[in-house]
Amino acid sequence: GDSVTQTEGLVTLTEGLPVMLNCTYQTIYSNPFLFWYVQHLNESPRLLLKSFTDNKRTEHQGFHATLHKSSSSFHLQKSSAQLSDSALYYCALSENMGYKLTFGTGTSLLVDP
Amino acid sequence: NAGVIQTPRHKVTGKGQEATLWCEPISGHSAVFWYRQTIVQGLEFLTYFRNQAPIDDSGMPKERFSAQMPNQSHSTLKIQSTQPQDSAVYLCASSLKGAGQNTLYFGAGTRLSVL
Repeated sequence: GDSVTQTEGLVTLTEGLPVMLNCTYQTIYSNPFLFWYVQHLNESPRLLLKSFTDNKRTEHQGFHATLHKSSSSFHLQKSSAQLSDSALYYCALSENMGYKLTFGTGTSLLVDP
Repeated sequence: NAGVIQTPRHKVTGKGQEATLWCEPISGHSAVFWYRQTIVQGLEFLTYFRNQAPIDDSGMPKERFSAQMPNQSHSTLKIQSTQPQDSAVYLCASSLKGAGQNTLYFGAGTRLSVL
């Protein structure tokens, strides 16, 4: 079945430094949708950004990610971390016309002043 | 639009007791999902309804878990004979159609604690 791997359980960095959270996936389908969901403390997960186009950068709220089908990756990046970026980030996968999301185990991002 | 509503927010049960969790999806959304969230496993898919019909319950522990959607405005997740390992946050989500291209909107979740 489909799977999503997020290798870092916790990423800690100083405000102003760049952010990169890793996400790789496995699927038999050639047209997957990839998503990043963000969950702040005491809130529910909400969509941050999504993509299905190979090698096209997608951006939202200062974050960006590019789907690379050749390496099955969809890493999340931001040029300069803010304190408010501290949250739990989930990478997720769906078949193009599928119905459910398969989530990774999540990466906690902690931004220090 | 009030979003996805889940009740109760917290539930404490003793080992062996039953727990029923409720979800009201966003009006007009035809797809309803249940996920379980733990620190170790992250977000685990449990079950999915489309237009109230059960489509996939492959993530449900079959012996003790069941889910229903008797009408378009609510779904329930029932756990019989609760065990300590069932302790988790149970999240309900809805989307316009299936999740393939569509955004999932999550409720606030029900935190289940089994003592």
